[in-house]
Amino acid sequence: AQTVTQSQPEMSVQEAETVTLSCTYDTSESDYYLFWYKQPPSRQMILVIRQEAYKQQNATENRFSVNFQKAAKSFSLKISDSQLGDAAMYFCAYRSTSTSGTYKYIFGTGTRLKVLA
Amino acid sequence: EAGVVQSPRYKIIEKKQPVAFWCNPISGHNTLYWYRQNLGQGPELLIRYENEEAVDDSQLPKDRFSAERLKGVDSTLKIQPAELGDSAVYLCASSLGMVRAGETQYFGPGTRLLVL
Repeated sequence: AQTVTQSQPEMSVQEAETVTLSCTYDTSESDYYLFWYKQPPSRQMILVIRQEAYKQQNATENRFSVNFQKAAKSFSLKISDSQLGDAAMYFCAYRSTSTSGTYKYIFGTGTRLKVLA
Repeated sequence: EAGVVQSPRYKIIEKKQPVAFWCNPISGHNTLYWYRQNLGQGPELLIRYENEEAVDDSQLPKDRFSAERLKGVDSTLKIQPAELGDSAVYLCASSLGMVRAGETQYFGPGTRLLVL
């Protein structure tokens, strides 16, 4: 069974600094998608970044980038130039590539990021 | 463009009572998801709709939970009777469709349920 593990319940970063959030997963599939979602205190979850497992190049979205290590089953999120608005819960998620029927969409337990002014 | 709308935002009920949650997805989104998020945990998928068809309800506790999506637009999730362990945030999300497995899900603000 697929699992997603976020081993850091809470992280802190100074404003303008860089922080890395960790995520590991377990799967026997060779093709899948990985996501990072952000959930601010208002609880509306939004997609931060996505990675397709068959792509070797790490995804980037402005200040957000990932370090995808497929062999190690690791998918960390790096936030550069941290801003106060980055403070939120961050969830790592896994999705298999099956487009029909039952598939797995699994979220980790989350990492709470605090940004210090 | 309006986002995913959910109501109510908060609900407090006594155990054994029924409760219903409503979701209006983004216009044009064929896929609708219901998740349950327990305190300190990530969301867990309960059911997924493609238009009006429930294509994945394997994680839905069918003895007390039910859902419907009439006309392939709005959806209602019901619990009857509610138990103490049902206290959680119920999230609705929608996406354009399952053409691409990695497509973006858009989440609503959730309904926070407290069962006393």
